[in-house]
Amino acid sequence: QSALTQPPSASGSPGQSVTISCSGTSNDIGAYNYVSWYQHPPGKAPKLVIYDVNKRPSGVPDRFSGSKSGNVASLTVSGLQTDDEADYHCTSFAGTHNWVFGGGTKLTVL
Amino acid sequence: EVQLVQSGAEVKKPGESLRISCKGFGYNFFGYWIGWVRQMPGKGLEWMGIIYPDSSSPIYSPSFQGQVTMSVDKSINAAYLQWSSLEASDTAMYYCARWGGPTLTSLYFDYWGQGALVTVSS
Repeated sequence: QSALTQPPSASGSPGQSVTISCSGTSNDIGAYNYVSWYQHPPGKAPKLVIYDVNKRPSGVPDRFSGSKSGNVASLTVSGLQTDDEADYHCTSFAGTHNWVFGGGTKLTVL
Repeated sequence: EVQLVQSGAEVKKPGESLRISCKGFGYNFFGYWIGWVRQMPGKGLEWMGIIYPDSSSPIYSPSFQGQVTMSVDKSINAAYLQWSSLEASDTAMYYCARWGGPTLTSLYFDYWGQGALVTVSS
């Protein structure tokens, strides 16, 4: 069982927006603004899309945005494209030299 | 171009030992932490630990402390993940990744290896 809780699946049509939640505790998400999100297409390596809750690495389109409220972090993908179809994994800092992941959410673009 | 190239798939029996590798190309290998991430079949990602090549100092996730050993060979820009006695539950895809963030806070793996599938079966 993963430390962070994500819905197993999410879906949306091209052009729509979808939000994926990631629920933690006051020891991880609630304690720090150090949440990252990874996009993991089938058969490929994961790719960092959000870090520090809401920052995008260079090259990640602004269709990807992150937020946090209390112990819950969220990733929103706007203007859905077929290329966005992938598993999305959240992770949070949980104290010195410790990080926890969610179980992943499979995003389907209908 | 930054690349992390991992060794190939492995099929092992329970009780056997194994070492998989991750070689870095196109950047200063000594200046970045290298991490290892496990994905068991049908499951999410799990952070296993990180190692700083310059000092060969590993930091293990509490879940993996004592279960695996991380090391580096500075002469060939390679990082290794090693098991002394595999179990069926070690069957998984293992990724290495470069820590590209400025601090060890948000988990910031900016480049990843292609993954190495380890299958442990009698």
